[in-house]
Amino acid sequence: NAGVTQTPKFRVLKTGQSMTLLCAQDMNHEYMYWYRQDPGMGLRLIHYSVGEGTTAKGEVPDGYNVSRLKKQNFLLGLESAAPSQTSVYFCASSYSASGGYEQYFGPGTRLTVT
Amino acid sequence: LAKTTQPISMDSYEGQEVNITCSHNNIATNDYITWYQQFPSQGPRFIIQGYKTKVTNEVASLFIPADRKSSTLSLPRVSLSDTAVYYCLVLLLNAGKSTFGDGTTLTVKP
Repeated sequence: NAGVTQTPKFRVLKTGQSMTLLCAQDMNHEYMYWYRQDPGMGLRLIHYSVGEGTTAKGEVPDGYNVSRLKKQNFLLGLESAAPSQTSVYFCASSYSASGGYEQYFGPGTRLTVT
Repeated sequence: LAKTTQPISMDSYEGQEVNITCSHNNIATNDYITWYQQFPSQGPRFIIQGYKTKVTNEVASLFIPADRKSSTLSLPRVSLSDTAVYYCLVLLLNAGKSTFGDGTTLTVKP
């Protein structure tokens, strides 16, 4: 049982390049989330999904797209990376978002955009 | 819009009890309050969760008053390894936000 895994762990992009971050969970969780964490700050929700085939915008969705084609995977895409997207990205999953169930976090992806 | 507010930092000594308070004035009826711990270069780790009154587990207690507009995480007898950032989370998915506070950096001194 690996929990929540994220690929890659580190990445450096040039401005304008694109990339996809992969999150996978093996706990059969319904809900999945993508957060970003800037230095010295808390986590901000980018997008989330309440089930396979569904996605919704969080607090800071601009510049990102997501897909949840399979229940266990949640992909975060950057179509045209900008230096402002330099951050650590965390994926999380939970059984139910509305209380009573904790979110399990992955180890994070450190992204630098130059 | 709901926002959580926590003290930026706290210092303590080994063996003391530490209480960290989070305010969340606009919490919704069905929302739970969850606390996480985060070490450098790691993802947050669940500590405790509650809805109202008091919840206790093997590592912490959570106190929530009747109006639920705040919550207090209590760590008994802290050790050096409890030095970390502590976040409270109120998940407001209906509003498209998860309100993590900016966290409280707890430093435990010998």
